[in-house]
Amino acid sequence: GEDVEQSLFLSVREGDSSVINCTYTDSSSTYLYWYKQEPGAGLQLLTYIFSNMDMKQDQRLTVLLNKKDKHLSLRIADTQTGDSAIYFCAERGAGGGNKLTFGTGTQLKVEL
Amino acid sequence: DAGVIQSPRHEVTEMGQEVTLRCKPISGHDYLFWYRQTMMRGLELLIYFNNNVPIDDSGMPEDRFSAKMPNASFSTLKIQPSEPRDSAVYFCASSFSGTHGYTFGSGTRLTVV
Repeated sequence: GEDVEQSLFLSVREGDSSVINCTYTDSSSTYLYWYKQEPGAGLQLLTYIFSNMDMKQDQRLTVLLNKKDKHLSLRIADTQTGDSAIYFCAERGAGGGNKLTFGTGTQLKVEL
Repeated sequence: DAGVIQSPRHEVTEMGQEVTLRCKPISGHDYLFWYRQTMMRGLELLIYFNNNVPIDDSGMPEDRFSAKMPNASFSTLKIQPSEPRDSAVYFCASSFSGTHGYTFGSGTRLTVV
């Protein structure tokens, strides 16, 4: 079945850039997503990218996709303490059904 | 729109008791998903519905778990009998087939003692 993997933890200083990485196995993925989960809350959609794109920018967020290597990354510019959260990547296969496969989540800690 | 509404937010119950978690999806959404989140296993898809019909329940751990969606605006996840290993945060999410991503509820934190 599909598999999505992420590193578990990332620590950065406030003002630096954060890069969260994700790898996936499903070569038929059509869309890839980044979600943010703050403590005690559900997951919130941050951004998504179509599989035939290699980059998408949305304000402080930049998504890079290397489809050949099945590697997705999320760069957060000028990271703030409010960015501290768990970040999940997810992929949507070509099989339809709106079903997403989520990664394990990366805990981002922003230090002063 | 109030978003996806889950109840209760917290539930503490004794082993062996029946637990019912509730979810109200966003109006107009045609997909509904139930997820379970634990430290050990991360986010697991339990079951999902399309137009109130269960499509994939392969993630339901065992027969003690059941889910229903009697209409487009309501779904339940029931655990009977509950066990301590069922302790987790249970999320409901909904989506519309023509748009991207899911909208998640705030979750129900279940503790079985």
